[in-house]
Amino acid sequence: AQRVTQPEKLLSVFKGAPVELKCNYSYSGSPELFWYVQYSRQRLQLLLRHISRESIKGFTADLNKGETSFHLKKPFAQEEDSAMYYCALRTGNTGKLIFGQGTTLQVKP
Amino acid sequence: DAGVIQSPRHEVTEMGQEVTLRCKPISGHDYLFWYRQTMMRGLELLIYFNNNVPIDDSGMPEDRFSAKMPNASFSTLKIQPSEPRDSAVYFCASRPGLAGKSEQFFGPGTRLTVL
Repeated sequence: AQRVTQPEKLLSVFKGAPVELKCNYSYSGSPELFWYVQYSRQRLQLLLRHISRESIKGFTADLNKGETSFHLKKPFAQEEDSAMYYCALRTGNTGKLIFGQGTTLQVKP
Repeated sequence: DAGVIQSPRHEVTEMGQEVTLRCKPISGHDYLFWYRQTMMRGLELLIYFNNNVPIDDSGMPEDRFSAKMPNASFSTLKIQPSEPRDSAVYFCASRPGLAGKSEQFFGPGTRLTVL
């Protein structure tokens, strides 16, 4: 079955600390992975996608097919990073995304 | 462009009442998605349309839920009769065709409370 797992509901760190939000997926084919972010009182929006191999707002994520993971990382967390983060999987030639349960990142001053 | 528009933004209703949520996708987008967000289950895909045709409704919880897309610029999600467990935030999203970028653009959501 196609599935995305985000094991942590809440991740709390201090400002300046490294952050890693975990995401594992289950899919036998060639996946396309995304991270979406929802800041307080704002819309859900795309943060980054694995095919772009880009860094957005200091965040990076590497697709590891061997471990079926797509963890989101940032070396130094900022208070403005506090938000809900969703990992999403697109399978095959469809427009459909499968989302994980989301992780709330709380960056304390 | 105002992005994906949803109405109402908040809805409070009593158990047993009919609820209709509305969505206007971004002009030119071929796909429209309805999601439900809860603390327990996160973001769940309910149904999605391609060129106004329902493609996958396997996420619709039960017969009380129905969705329509009468034209390219409008979709509704109806719950009849509503129950307290339907309380959630309902999001609509749209995206262009499959070629090129595959980003989905989300609306602001409708927060539904069923008493």
